[in-house]
Order: sequence, then C-alpha cells, then structure tokens
Amino acid sequence: EDQVTQSPEALRLQEGESSSLNCSYTVSGLRGLFWYRQDPGKGPEFLFTLYSAGEEKEKERLKATLTKKESFLHITAPKPEDSATYLCAVQERPGGTSYGKLTFGQGTILTVHP
Amino acid sequence: ETGVTQTPRHLVMGMTNKKSLKCEQHLGHNAMYWYKQSAKKPLELMFVYSLEERVENNSVPSRFSPECPNSSHLFLHLHTLQPEDSALYLCASSQLRDNYEQYFGPGTRLTVT
Repeated sequence: EDQVTQSPEALRLQEGESSSLNCSYTVSGLRGLFWYRQDPGKGPEFLFTLYSAGEEKEKERLKATLTKKESFLHITAPKPEDSATYLCAVQERPGGTSYGKLTFGQGTILTVHP
Repeated sequence: ETGVTQTPRHLVMGMTNKKSLKCEQHLGHNAMYWYKQSAKKPLELMFVYSLEERVENNSVPSRFSPECPNSSHLFLHLHTLQPEDSALYLCASSQLRDNYEQYFGPGTRLTVT
C-alpha cells in the first residue's frame, strides 16, 4: 500500500528565513510526485509534478526536488503570502487502475511571520 | 467560468435531509474525482469517474451516491448523513493518458447537524 509522510506537521518561519519541507514516500512504481498548496477553506492548488529521481522544478520562491525515497520543497526567503498548507501526493504507475490513483500526505502547515 | 467550480460552497443539513453537491470542470478533462477532507487527516478519495464510467468506489457508505451525466459534470447526492460526515468535499479533474495532474475545485464545506 502506498504511503506518504510529510514533516514537519507545522513550521513557523520569519520572513526571509529559508527552510525545507519533507515528503517521504513508499510506492510500488512511482509515476509522479505532486506538490499542492492549499489555503484555508479552499481547494488544493497544483504546484509541481516530479517524475524521476534527480529532477528539480522551480516556481518563484519554491523549488521541489526528488530522490528515490523522498521529496523536498525548498522555500527561499519566504514572504507572509507563502503561508498555507503544502500537500504532497504520489501517483503509482497505472497498472491496476486506469486513472493513476493519488495518495496524499497529511500536509505541512507553513506560517511565515512578517 | 474557468477551472473547476463547485456549488454550493457551504451547506448545512440535518441528518434526514437530501441534498446534492455539484461540480463542473471547464478544462476539457476526461476524469473526475470526489475527495473528502477532514481535519487532521489526509485527503480521502471517494469516487472516480473515467470517461463517464465509475472506476473507483473507495468503500464509501451508500448514503453518498455519485452521478456523472457527462465528462464536464459530477454530482454527489447526499441522504441520511451522520455528523461525522461533516467535512470539506473536493472535486477534481484530470486528463488521463496525458499528465494525470489533478486540478481541484474550491470545495463544499458540509456541516451535518
């Protein structure tokens, strides 16, 4: 069974204080690892897809990296508007299912103080 | 309208009521999903429709009944719910055999009294 564990559960940063969020996973045949951002009372917003170990993707102050066992979401010089819950999900290769089931972690709640 | 829309955004219902949640996607996708999000728990997949055919029913109680009349619309019919069904219900869509990325709607906050 696919498993995704995110750490820490909550992270408080000062504005400009860079840090990283972790997503550890076990999956039988990874097709993709996804990062989402979710603001309170809203649906998750897609950020990145990573497909293979060593891959990196960047968007503004965010950079996602992938190894065979985990992914990191690096936040460089964060601003208060980066405060949100960040969700990680893995998708197994569509062998038994045709749609590529996503398994989500519990998320990391990020708060950036001015 | 763009992306994935959901109505209503908030719903309060009694345990004996019948209501429906609506989802519409404007992305031209061919798969649609219902998720349940409860506090302190990961997103739980409830149902999946692929090309308008239900391909996943993730051990969801029969008081939840999905309907997918076409590739753009998805409904979740609710009846005789329990207080523990109170949660954020999220709809998502994706394009199969492309990039499989799922795009979510804003959700319906459901409270069962």
